Amino acid sequence: AQSVTQPDIHITVSEGASLELRCNYSYGATPYLFWYVQSPGQGLQLLLKYFSGDTLVQGIKGFEAEFKRSQSSFNLRKPSVHWSDAAEYFCAVGAQAGTALIFGKGTTLSVSS
Amino acid sequence: EAGVVQSPRYKIIEKKQPVAFWCNPISGHNTLYWYLQNLGQGPELLIRYENEEAVDDSQLPKDRFSAERLKGVDSTLKIQPAELGDSAVYLCASSLSLVTNEQFFGPGTRLTVL
Repeated sequence: AQSVTQPDIHITVSEGASLELRCNYSYGATPYLFWYVQSPGQGLQLLLKYFSGDTLVQGIKGFEAEFKRSQSSFNLRKPSVHWSDAAEYFCAVGAQAGTALIFGKGTTLSVSS
Repeated sequence: EAGVVQSPRYKIIEKKQPVAFWCNPISGHNTLYWYLQNLGQGPELLIRYENEEAVDDSQLPKDRFSAERLKGVDSTLKIQPAELGDSAVYLCASSLSLVTNEQFFGPGTRLTVL
């Protein structure tokens, strides 16, 4: 069965420090992988996606993620965190176009000054 | 381009009352999804539409939940009667399924059942 694991429930990072959020997935075929961000009281905003090709993908707001098939991972990174990055981050996996996404339970990011 | 629109944004009802949520997807998106997001959890699919056809409703509790997507555009999700455990955020998303599985989400409806 498809599943997504985000091992870190809550992470606190100092402003200006680097960030890495972990995501591991279980999927039988080549997955479509996504990272979404959710601010309090808001819907989910797509940060980046991976379908095929280059395994390092760039997204909005300075985020990037790397797909590692051998590790079944799709970790999200940012070199320098801003206070406005504090939010809930969700990793998701999907099959072919038009099917439902399977989400992880999310990682809450806090940014300290 | 307008995003996915949902209303109401917040709803508070007494248990056993009915409630309905409305969603207007991005223009031209033929696939529409309703997800349920419990506190501290990721969204989980309730139902998926391709145009006006419900193609995946296996996770929809059909004894109390119903949904429709008339004319393949707007959609309504209904709960009757609501239970305390239905308190959650109900998210609507849409995608242009012929291209990618990139889904665009609305702001959600936060339901509180008292």
